[in-house]
Amino acid sequence: AQSVTQLDSQVPVFEEAPVELRCNYSSSVSVYLFWYVQYPNQGLQLLLKYLSGSTLVKGINGFEAEFNKSQTSFHLRKPSVHISDTAEYFCAVSPYNNNDMRFGAGTRLTVKP
Amino acid sequence: SQTIHQWPATLVQPVGSPLSLECTVEGTSNPNLYWYRQAAGRGLQLLFYSVGIGQISSEVPQNLSASRPQDRQFILSSKKLLLSDSGFYLCAWAHGGRRNIQYFGAGTRLSVL
Repeated sequence: AQSVTQLDSQVPVFEEAPVELRCNYSSSVSVYLFWYVQYPNQGLQLLLKYLSGSTLVKGINGFEAEFNKSQTSFHLRKPSVHISDTAEYFCAVSPYNNNDMRFGAGTRLTVKP
Repeated sequence: SQTIHQWPATLVQPVGSPLSLECTVEGTSNPNLYWYRQAAGRGLQLLFYSVGIGQISSEVPQNLSASRPQDRQFILSSKKLLLSDSGFYLCAWAHGGRRNIQYFGAGTRLSVL
């Protein structure tokens, strides 16, 4: 079975500061990795995904994430955040061999002026 | 392009009343379909998933049931709601196959009073 740990439940940052949201996973098989963003009272929107190839993946809204197989991590980064980035962010994993997807508990990013 | 519709957006129901939430997908065929619940301040809990008409898998035994009467329709039901059923319910779909990415509806906020 797979599991996902998002190490920070809340991350407050000031506008234009860099941010990193941490995600570690556990799996006995190879996995695909995802980050989703959820704005208040909305569904989840896919931010970026790692399926194969380059370990540095770029997503929407200026976010990027790096897959580190040895550390089983998939941290999300943005060099300069905006007020509009305030949202809940979910890391998720899906194993190669089935359609299952497991989500982390989420990280609430709050960007302050 | 594919779209997912979920309704109603908001629902307030008394304890003991029935529930029916509907989710439909357009622009694709034979999708995998999912129901999640998101309790306040918590991550996503997978409730049910379906890989085809009439095929429902339950992740967590509970007061809820799901049905898939048509290929692109997924319904979440309850005969008698409990206070603990309150939460944010999300429907999602994915292409069948290994590299499935889940796409989410806008969600239904259910308050059981």
